[in-house]
Amino acid sequence: AQSVTQLGSHVSVSEGALVLLRCNYSSSVPPYLFWYVQYPNQGLQLLLKYTSAATLVKGINGFEAEFKKSETSFHLTKPSAHMSDAAEYFCAVRVAGGTSYGKLTFGQGTILTVHP
Amino acid sequence: DADVTQTPRNRITKTGKRIMLECSQTKGHDRMYWYRQDPGLGLRLIYYSFDVKDINKGEISDGYSVSRQAQAKFSLSLESAIPNQTALYFCATSDITGTSPTGELFFGEGSRLTVL
Repeated sequence: AQSVTQLGSHVSVSEGALVLLRCNYSSSVPPYLFWYVQYPNQGLQLLLKYTSAATLVKGINGFEAEFKKSETSFHLTKPSAHMSDAAEYFCAVRVAGGTSYGKLTFGQGTILTVHP
Repeated sequence: DADVTQTPRNRITKTGKRIMLECSQTKGHDRMYWYRQDPGLGLRLIYYSFDVKDINKGEISDGYSVSRQAQAKFSLSLESAIPNQTALYFCATSDITGTSPTGELFFGEGSRLTVL
């Protein structure tokens, strides 16, 4: 079975500082990996996705993530935080193929706070 | 207009009442999902549907039922609501065989349900 663990339920950074949100996954077969963002009172929006084409994935709003198979990780980074990045972030995994019916398994979420 | 529309956006009800949350989509996707979001638990899958004739239980289906009235409509019912069903509910769609073969989900804006 696939699973996702997000390390740190809350992360706080200063504006302009590096953002690092951690995600580790468990999957017995090559996975598809996703990062979603949820702004207050909104649904989830896709930030980026890993599809095995490239290990470093660039997404919207300056975010990127690197797939590291040896570490089973897919950490999300942004070089310089902006106040508008304050939101909750979710990592998700879906195994490729099989009878998964496109089901995504989500991590617990990480709330990012950005201080002026 | 939103591609995935949920109604109602907010609902307060009493224990024992029957509640229906509705979802409609204009994306033309075959696959539809209902997730529940609770603080610190991420999103958990309640039910999913591959097409109109296919309904499947997710990890937390007890106390819930669904109906896929058409390709574009997928409703979630709570036959007798209880307080621990207070949560934020999301409908989502995906299209693995079409323009999004990685199975990414497209979310509605959520329905916040409070059971007193």
